[in-house]
Amino acid sequence: EVQLLESGGGLVQPGGSLRLSCAASGFSFSYYAMSWVRQAPGKGLEWVSAISGSGDSTYYADSVKGRFTISRDNSKNTLYLQISSLRADDTAVYYCAQDRFTSPGYYFDNWGPGTLVTVSS
Amino acid sequence: DIQMTQSPLSLSASAGDRVTITCRASQNINNYLNWYQQKPGKAPKHLIYAASSLQTGVPSRFSGSGSGTDFTLTISSLQPEDFATYYCQQSYTTPATFGPGTKVVVK
Repeated sequence: EVQLLESGGGLVQPGGSLRLSCAASGFSFSYYAMSWVRQAPGKGLEWVSAISGSGDSTYYADSVKGRFTISRDNSKNTLYLQISSLRADDTAVYYCAQDRFTSPGYYFDNWGPGTLVTVSS
Repeated sequence: DIQMTQSPLSLSASAGDRVTITCRASQNINNYLNWYQQKPGKAPKHLIYAASSLQTGVPSRFSGSGSGTDFTLTISSLQPEDFATYYCQQSYTTPATFGPGTKVVVK
């Protein structure tokens, strides 16, 4: 059974930083691209970032480019999101998701329960 | 970025009703379209990929159709566990983008 579990969220001041982690199990982690998707309170879903299975390729939404860094450690089956220069509008539940490629396209197959990041002074 | 819209944004229905949700893309996305269900306080759950292919384990009362810019999600006979918010998402280009969601509530 695929399991994803995020951690690292919390209350942070504007301009601060956090590192989110997503521990994966139940599948061959290095074979899959992974993504972070966030959801502000009471709002819809927003894709944030993605990384290839090897970690060689990374992708970012314009809203976080230059402030967020996605990475992975395949030896630890763990996905990371370093978030910095945080703003109030970064307040959200951050989900990690397993990307599943199909024909055509891809979808977000399995999701973790999410970790809440609150940016406030 | 490709913009995704959904209609209606909210609908009230009763168990047993046939429910249809529409999703529209701002440009042609062929059938690079997925649907998700989300219940309050929970992570989204994937339902349909490639516009019309049902994810394993998803009940057959869910179906999807469409291609190009216009898509639909249909629930043939609404069950009590189907009251939730439904999102469409395109994977034709990066960034992946989601629709605003359609909340299905009890009439």
